[in-house]
Amino acid sequence: DAGVIQSPRHEVTEMGQEVTLRCKPISGHDYLFWYRQTMMRGLELLIYFNNNVPIDDSGMPEDRFSAKMPNASFSTLKIQPSEPRDSAVYFCASSFRAGAGYTFGSGTRLTVV
Amino acid sequence: GNSVTQMEGPVTLSEEAFLTINCTYTATGYPSLFWYVQYPGEGLQLLLKATKADDKGSNKGFEATYRKETTSFHLEKGSVQVSDSAVYFCALSDNGGGGTSYGKLTFGQGTILTVHP
Repeated sequence: DAGVIQSPRHEVTEMGQEVTLRCKPISGHDYLFWYRQTMMRGLELLIYFNNNVPIDDSGMPEDRFSAKMPNASFSTLKIQPSEPRDSAVYFCASSFRAGAGYTFGSGTRLTVV
Repeated sequence: GNSVTQMEGPVTLSEEAFLTINCTYTATGYPSLFWYVQYPGEGLQLLLKATKADDKGSNKGFEATYRKETTSFHLEKGSVQVSDSAVYFCALSDNGGGGTSYGKLTFGQGTILTVHP
């Protein structure tokens, strides 16, 4: 298995632009998680899905952020409009059951200038 | 709610020194406990885990024992190497009670380890 695949690895965009981050979880994993990592705040859970359904989006910072999981093999995290304070590394992770631990992707480093 | 507290870093050691990174937790029910490692520029990787009290997780020379009486899961290694330099995260998973916390990992703040030759 190729693991959790995220794209792009790096994204540089201008303030106000729309940004879409993509994630392909491991086949058969029912849980998918989006995290944001910064030096100031560490790892923050943004949202997670179970069987493609959003379960907890309380970590989504504001309405500019949205996430979808149209099928079991694909999820997107969208920021519109982007702001410099959104600059961070965004990780996707998946898990095949509760309590099993996660497999993380390599992350997308987002820079908003 | 659930929470994980890790020892403050950064931790700097010489090669072959003994390592301990403390981790304590607060949780309802019977969580599973994990240690993850993050090398520079990479995502987090599962290092070891324990699913019930008194279990010992081990991998790559690292060990941690699930201590329910002290609500702790301290990470240890007898002899560290330069290649162990990374950020280490302690985490717990809520395994019961349903609700939005079910299946979700709660992470500590991470401890930076630097090992010098």
